[in-house]
Amino acid sequence: KNEVEQSPQNLTAQEGEFITINCSYSVGISALHWLQQHPGGGIVSLFMLSSGKKKHGRLIATINIQEKHSSLHITASHPRDSAVYICAVRSNTGNQFYFGTGTSLTVIP
Amino acid sequence: GAGVSQSPSNKVTEKGKDVELRCDPISGHTALYWYRQSLGQGLEFLIYFQGNSAPDKSGLPSDRFSAERTGGSVSTLTIQRTQQEDSAVYLCASSLLSGTSSYEQYFGPGTRLTVT
Repeated sequence: KNEVEQSPQNLTAQEGEFITINCSYSVGISALHWLQQHPGGGIVSLFMLSSGKKKHGRLIATINIQEKHSSLHITASHPRDSAVYICAVRSNTGNQFYFGTGTSLTVIP
Repeated sequence: GAGVSQSPSNKVTEKGKDVELRCDPISGHTALYWYRQSLGQGLEFLIYFQGNSAPDKSGLPSDRFSAERTGGSVSTLTIQRTQQEDSAVYLCASSLLSGTSSYEQYFGPGTRLTVT
């Protein structure tokens, strides 16, 4: 049973394209996180949100609590955006974090 | 300032041996998490420390795994009698006060454990 589902699993885009990665979850949450993991590199937290929408540069994250769904958008994608993007949720009944299996994004110049 | 550091960065051990992995969180961060990322799989929650409270060990996969956090700072994850399925990258993350609130987590670079 996967508490967090992401789609797509893999995504290839041309530089400049608008990208959307989706995340659905089945548990009650206190917050949802979007993480970025570069090949061979560490993990960086992009967003933490519990409602609405957040924007940072070319990245936008939205969450719909009623539908238990979040999206991560990348505008004007660039090859340096190539990474694995991971959705994670913190359970509202404890300290458990549940992770999606990640979306591997490749942006081609 | 300094981020989360972990040591060693790589560890190769023989099956059956014990290993200790270390995490130095960001100074002032009271919440500390251990995660595991197996090859081709997603991140898996292992254990959570918050201040002086009893740790949440609900994610530990077996009693061969244990962790402690001394003085509310440095944490050590110990795996006893290692098995090949323990091979993974072990990640540590820290954040400010947690409790019922969720704060941004800062991840360490991880320790890649290989059990031969």
